[in-house]
Amino acid sequence: AQKITQTQPGMFVQEKEAVTLDCTYDTSDQSYGLFWYKQPSSGEMIFLIYQGSYDEQNATEGRYSLNFQKARKSANLVISASQLGDSAMYFCAEDSSYKLIFGSGTRLLVRP
Amino acid sequence: DAGVIQSPRHEVTEMGQEVTLRCKPISGHDYLFWYRQTMMRGLELLIYFNNNVPIDDSGMPEDRFSAKMPNASFSTLKIQPSEPRDSAVYFCASSLDPPTGGGLETQYFGPGTRLLVL
Repeated sequence: AQKITQTQPGMFVQEKEAVTLDCTYDTSDQSYGLFWYKQPSSGEMIFLIYQGSYDEQNATEGRYSLNFQKARKSANLVISASQLGDSAMYFCAEDSSYKLIFGSGTRLLVRP
Repeated sequence: DAGVIQSPRHEVTEMGQEVTLRCKPISGHDYLFWYRQTMMRGLELLIYFNNNVPIDDSGMPEDRFSAKMPNASFSTLKIQPSEPRDSAVYFCASSLDPPTGGGLETQYFGPGTRLLVL
């Protein structure tokens, strides 16, 4: 069965610094996708970034980038120049067979 | 463009009552997903539809839960009878295509319905 592991239940980062949120996955599928979502305290799920298993380059979206290491089955999210508004829960998800499987999430707190 | 719309945003009900959650997907999206989020179990996929047809309902907890999609712009998730353990946030999401590798197919989530069963 697919499994997504986020080993950091909570993290702190100083405003304007970069932070890396870890995610490892476990799939035997050859074709799959990896997603990161942000969930602020208001509760909505906001899509951040996507990486396809066949993408050779790491995905980037503004201040978000995905450090994809296929052999290690890791898909870490890097947030550069952290802002106070980045304080939220962050979920990694993997898809195959048309289902999204989510990790348990990392709560990020940005300190001023 | 409007995103995924869910109603109600909050629901408080008593055990044994019927609860109906509603979702309007993004126009043109072929897939609709229902998720449940709890502290204990995290985010779980309950069921998903493709072109209004239920494809996989293996995540539906038990027979008390049912979901329908009578047309491309509306879906319901019903719990009858409700129990306190059903208290959770229920999300609806939609996508143009299933989330598969090789292309930017993304699920977009609604704001969720916070359900409390007393």
